Amino acid sequence: KQEVTQIPAALSVPEGENLVLNCSFTDSAIYNLQWFRQDPGKGLTSLLLIQSSQREQTSGRLNASLDKSSGRSTLYIAASQPGDSATYLCAVRGNSGGSNYKLTFGKGTLLTVNP
Amino acid sequence: NAGVTQTPKFRILKIGQSMTLQCTQDMNHNYMYWYRQDPGMGLKLIYYSVGAGITDKGEVPNGYNVSRSTTEDFPLRLELAAPSQTSVYFCASSYQGPDTQYFGPGTRLTVL
Repeated sequence: KQEVTQIPAALSVPEGENLVLNCSFTDSAIYNLQWFRQDPGKGLTSLLLIQSSQREQTSGRLNASLDKSSGRSTLYIAASQPGDSATYLCAVRGNSGGSNYKLTFGKGTLLTVNP
Repeated sequence: NAGVTQTPKFRILKIGQSMTLQCTQDMNHNYMYWYRQDPGMGLKLIYYSVGAGITDKGEVPNGYNVSRSTTEDFPLRLELAAPSQTSVYFCASSYQGPDTQYFGPGTRLTVL
């Protein structure tokens, strides 16, 4: 059974700092991995999707990497801003049988960027 | 486009009561999903649908039922509410497959 772990559970940084969020998964047979952002009281918004054949994806100040063989992904946020404060969730999609239709989510990292 | 809309936003139920959580999308997406998110936890899939008339169970379907009579609507039914069903419920949709899902704002349900 796939399990997704995110470390740290919470992170507080001063504005302008570069930071890394970590995600690990137990089954390397994945189709892809996504990073989501969740604002308080809101639904999820997809930030980046990395296919299993890719090593990284970039969008603006965000860069996500994937090491499928070691079961790890990182989300790098450059020059953090108070508007980046949110919960960031990682989710993997399996590539076999019944796991192919669904995403398995981590518990998320609560990020606070202080002005 | 309104995207994915959910009603109600908040609801308090008594143990044993029933209710239906509504979900509608106007993007002509084939796939729709229901998730629950417990405090400090990730999302868990309750049910999903790959098109009108087709539904299937996710990880945590017990205590819930769904139907998909139209492409737009995917209601979630709780028949006998229990305190363990206190959670935030999210509906999502995607055009094809579980990637690129669009999420609704959620329904916060408390069962007392």
